[in-house]
Amino acid sequence: LAKTTQPISMDSYEGQEVNITCSHNNIATNDYITWYQQFPSQGPRFIIQGYKTKVTNEVASLFIPADRKSSTLSLPRVSLSDTAVYYCLVGDISGGYNKLIFGAGTRLAVHP
Amino acid sequence: DAMVIQNPRYQVTQFGKPVTLSCSQTLNHNVMYWYQQKSSQAPKLLFHYYDKDFNNEADTPDNFQSRRPNTSFCFLDIRSPGLGDAAMYLCATTDSGGPNYNEQFFGPGTRLTVL
Repeated sequence: LAKTTQPISMDSYEGQEVNITCSHNNIATNDYITWYQQFPSQGPRFIIQGYKTKVTNEVASLFIPADRKSSTLSLPRVSLSDTAVYYCLVGDISGGYNKLIFGAGTRLAVHP
Repeated sequence: DAMVIQNPRYQVTQFGKPVTLSCSQTLNHNVMYWYQQKSSQAPKLLFHYYDKDFNNEADTPDNFQSRRPNTSFCFLDIRSPGLGDAAMYLCATTDSGGPNYNEQFFGPGTRLTVL
């Protein structure tokens, strides 16, 4: 499984856009990139997933360059409730399900 | 609402005293996972069931066992808990044949304290 590297922590303020970049230099052809969010004392929650280019949903956008060696999770206009740990995961889901190997994650703190 | 339920939310046990954590799901998902998450660390996969097939991670200690008597329920047994086993234990599910096969649904976790 490809190893991921992301910043340990980030700080932002309410209303700002936050971009969290994850590097995955050894990503394989069949690997997808997935982001999960975890609040304190809760289980992780799926945010977004992509293979290449850009994916957008109601929560976030995911930008993946052509070489796929990195990806950027973009959270538009964050609020205090976006304070959480964000995990970037890379893995092959072509087999119909996936095992999640979590990296260290990025601890995002949103300030008033 | 369909969900993943973990009971109890908080469990206290004594050093060496066997403990069982339970997970149930109303999603009818065929894959169930158990993770261990220690304080300020990322979740670590212990094992998973694909239907009835048990899949252990290579570095999961023998002290950890699991049972899945039916689709809805999965149990984590810790035979002789040590102080180092104090952690949050997370259960998750996936429907490998459904449209969201790429997503895992997590329960709220059980926080285990070992005295």
